[in-house]
Amino acid sequence: KQEVTQIPAALSVPEGENLVLNCSFTDSAIYNLQWFRQDPGKGLTSLLLIQSSQREQTSGRLNASLDKSSGRSTLYIAASQPGDSATYLCAVLKTSYDKVIFGPGTSLSVIP
Amino acid sequence: DAGVTQSPTHLIKTRGQQVTLRCSPKSGHDTVSWYQQALGQGPQFIFQYYEEEERQRGNFPDRFSGHQFPNYSSELNVNALLLGDSALYLCASSLASYNEQFFGPGTRLTVL
Repeated sequence: KQEVTQIPAALSVPEGENLVLNCSFTDSAIYNLQWFRQDPGKGLTSLLLIQSSQREQTSGRLNASLDKSSGRSTLYIAASQPGDSATYLCAVLKTSYDKVIFGPGTSLSVIP
Repeated sequence: DAGVTQSPTHLIKTRGQQVTLRCSPKSGHDTVSWYQQALGQGPQFIFQYYEEEERQRGNFPDRFSGHQFPNYSSELNVNALLLGDSALYLCASSLASYNEQFFGPGTRLTVL
């Protein structure tokens, strides 16, 4: 059974700092992994999608890496801004027709 | 191009009642997935619809049912509501199940 965890559960950093969010999954046989952002009480915004054959994806100040052998993905945020404050969730898809499994999320607060 | 839309935004029901939530996928998408998100937790997969049929189902009782229409829009029905059904219900669409998922803003259901 696939389980997804995220560490830390909450993180508070000063503006401008570079930071790393972690996502771990127990079954390394995944199809893809997706990172999302969620503002309080809102839906999820897709940030990056990494296919199982890829090692990393980049979008602006965001970089996500994937290491299937160790069951880990990291989301790197460069030069953090107060507008980055939100909950960040990772989600894993095991096969092309399987259900998506979400982690519990990391709540990020960037202090001006 | 409209993204994923959901209606209603908020809903208040009493125990034992029935509720129907609606979702319109992003233009060009053919797959709709439904999730339940309790406060402070990651979304939990309810089921997925493709070509008007339920293709995958999570660990939810039969009180949760759904439907997909020929235009790919979808409904989530919950019968015999319980207090524990109070949550944010999210709809996501994709082109086939294994591609990037795009989420709607969600429907906040409160059961009294």
